[in-house]
Amino acid sequence: NAGVMQNPRHLVRRRGQEARLRCSPMKGHSHVYWYRQLPEEGLKFMVYLQKENIIDESGMPKERFSAEFPKEGPSILRIQQVVRGDSAAYFCASSPRQAETNEKLFFGSGTQLSVL
Amino acid sequence: DQQVKQNSPSLSVQEGRISILNCDYTNSMFDYFLWYKKYPAEGPTFLISISSIKDKNEDGRFTVFLNKSAKHLSLHIVPSQPGDSAVYFCAASYSGTYKYIFGTGTRLKVLA
Repeated sequence: NAGVMQNPRHLVRRRGQEARLRCSPMKGHSHVYWYRQLPEEGLKFMVYLQKENIIDESGMPKERFSAEFPKEGPSILRIQQVVRGDSAAYFCASSPRQAETNEKLFFGSGTQLSVL
Repeated sequence: DQQVKQNSPSLSVQEGRISILNCDYTNSMFDYFLWYKKYPAEGPTFLISISSIKDKNEDGRFTVFLNKSAKHLSLHIVPSQPGDSAVYFCAASYSGTYKYIFGTGTRLKVLA
C-alpha cells in the first residue's frame, strides 16, 4: 500500500499528557500537510512542511502544538499537555509538489485523538 | 468566518435517482474547487475538481457545476448508488496557495 499512512488510528490521552501523531507520505511525495477536523466541522489547515522545513504553520495553535518532518522518517505532529478541546480527527495529506492550482491532496485515514 | 459553506448537513436519495450536493463560497479569489468523499474511519478521497475557467466538469456519474456569479457549485451524482453513501466535502483554494478551505460536509445516504 503506497498511500499516506498515519498512526496510530486511535489515540487516547488524559489531560496533561503528550500526544504524538505520525504520518508517512505517499512514495515520492515530499510535501506534507496536517489538517484537523473538530466534531461537526470541516477540515481546517494546520501546517505545511517539506523535508526538514516548516513552510507554513499559520493554522496551528501558538502554544502546545509543534510539527516536524525530518530528513528520515515520518512527519510528527506533537501536542503537549493535551486538553479536552484537542479531541479531534487529525488528517495528514501529501503531494508531490506544492499543492497550488490543480494539484490535489492525498489524505491518510487520520488519527482520532480522544482526551479524557 | 466560514468561507465555504455546505448548508445541508444531510441528504437522502433513492437508488437510481440524482443526488445534488450544494456548496457556496464567499471569497471571489477562489479559483479551484474540489469535492472529496469520506467514508467512516477513513480519510477523504478526491472525487472531482473544477477550475474557475470552466463551468462544468464531468467524470462518469459525477458532474460538478460552477456558477461564479452566484459563488455556488454543485455536485451531481447520477444514477446514485448505495455505495455513494458517505460524507461529501467541498473545498476551495486560489492560485499560489496550498491551503484548501473545506466546508462542513454533507452526509449523503442512498437508499436501496
